[in-house]
Amino acid sequence: ETVLTQSPGTLSLSPGERATLSCRASQSVTSNYLAWYQQKPGQAPRLLIYGASTRATGIPDRFSGSGSGTDFTLTISRLQPEDFALYYCQQYGNSRWTFGQGTKVDIK
Amino acid sequence: EVQLVESGGGLVQPGGSLRLSCTASGFTFSNYWMHWVRQVPGKGLVWVSRINNDGTNANYPDSVKGRFTISRDNAKNTLYLQVNTLSAEDTAVYYCARSWDGAFDYWGQGTLVTVSS
Repeated sequence: ETVLTQSPGTLSLSPGERATLSCRASQSVTSNYLAWYQQKPGQAPRLLIYGASTRATGIPDRFSGSGSGTDFTLTISRLQPEDFALYYCQQYGNSRWTFGQGTKVDIK
Repeated sequence: EVQLVESGGGLVQPGGSLRLSCTASGFTFSNYWMHWVRQVPGKGLVWVSRINNDGTNANYPDSVKGRFTISRDNAKNTLYLQVNTLSAEDTAVYYCARSWDGAFDYWGQGTLVTVSS
C-alpha cells in the first residue's frame, strides 16, 4: 500500500500570502494519479486537483498542483478567506486508493 | 447537477449490521466506478470500497475485507454498502463518491454510523 505523508501538519498564514503544501508518497504514484481535496468543517471534501496538476471544474486558478513520482505540491498563490481549511492528498494505484493525513491551513 | 445522497446510518450495537445506500442523480450512473470513503469525526479520510461500472468487480482495503460488501443497482441509480460485525472503530461518517481518472470528483454529504452499546 502506498502511504502518503503530508507536511506541514498545520500552516499558519495571513490572507494574501502564498501557501505551499507537500505530499510525499512511499513509492512512485502510478501515472501521476495524485489528487488534492479541500475540506471545511461539516462538509464533504471537494476535489481541487487531479492528475497531479489538472484543476477540477470550477476551481480558481490560484490553486495549482505540481510534482511527479513521489513528491507532489499544492500551491495556493494568494490565500483568500475562504481558503482556510483542511487539505488532503490522495493517490490511486493497484486497485487501492489512499489519503494523506491532511494539512490544516489556518489564519495567522 | 450531480447529486449523491446517502442514507441508512444510525446507532448500532457492537456486532451489529447496517446497509448504507447512496442515491445518484444528474449523471449516467452506470458509466462510473463508485466508492465508499469514511471519516472518523475529527480524523482523516479512509477509502473503504470500490465497485466497477456494472457491479462485477469490487475492491476493499484489508481493514474491512470480509466485513463490508459494496454493491449497486444501476436500474435504481443506487449504491450500497453492507457493513457487518461492527465495532466502535467503525464509527464514522460514511461518504459515497464518484471516481474519474483516479480521483473522487463528486461526494455525497455523508451518513453517520455510530457503534455503541
